[in-house]
Amino acid sequence: KQEVTQIPAALSVPEGENLVLNCSFTDSAIYNLQWFRQDPGKGLTSLLLIQSSQREQTSGRLNASLDKSSGRSTLYIAASQPGDSATYLCAVSHTGKLIFGQGTTLQVKP
Amino acid sequence: DADVTQTPRNRITKTGKRIMLECSQTKGHDRMYWYRQDPGLGLRLIYYSFDVKDINKGEISDGYSVSRQAQAKFSLSLESAIPNQTALYFCATSDGISRDEQFFGPGTRLTVL
Repeated sequence: KQEVTQIPAALSVPEGENLVLNCSFTDSAIYNLQWFRQDPGKGLTSLLLIQSSQREQTSGRLNASLDKSSGRSTLYIAASQPGDSATYLCAVSHTGKLIFGQGTTLQVKP
Repeated sequence: DADVTQTPRNRITKTGKRIMLECSQTKGHDRMYWYRQDPGLGLRLIYYSFDVKDINKGEISDGYSVSRQAQAKFSLSLESAIPNQTALYFCATSDGISRDEQFFGPGTRLTVL
């Protein structure tokens, strides 16, 4: 059974820091991996999607990497801002279904 | 206008009542999904549908049923609501081809008293 783990569960950093969020999964037979952002009480916004054949994707200050063989993905946020404060979720896709990690709650202090 | 909409956005009901949550999409996607989110447990899949004639159980389908009325509409029903079904419910869609990226609705907050 696929399991997805995100470490740390919570993270607090000062504004301007570069940071890395981690996601690990137990079964490497994935179709793709998605990173989402969720603001309190709100829906999920898709940030980046990495297909299984890809190693990384970039969007603005965000960079996501994927290492299927080791079952790991990282989300790198450059020059963090208070507006980046949210919960970040990773999810792996297999047979069309997403399996989610529990998320990392990020607080960026001004 | 939002591509994936959910109604209602908030609902408070009593134990034993029948509740229907509705999802509509304008993305033209064939695949639709229902998830629930509980604090500390992440999102878990309840039911999913890969086309109008296809319905599949997810990880936690007990106590729920669904109806795919059209390509654009997918409803989730709680036949007899119980307090541990209090959660945030999300609908999602995907195209089932190429990237198969999932797009989520804004969520329905359901409270069962």
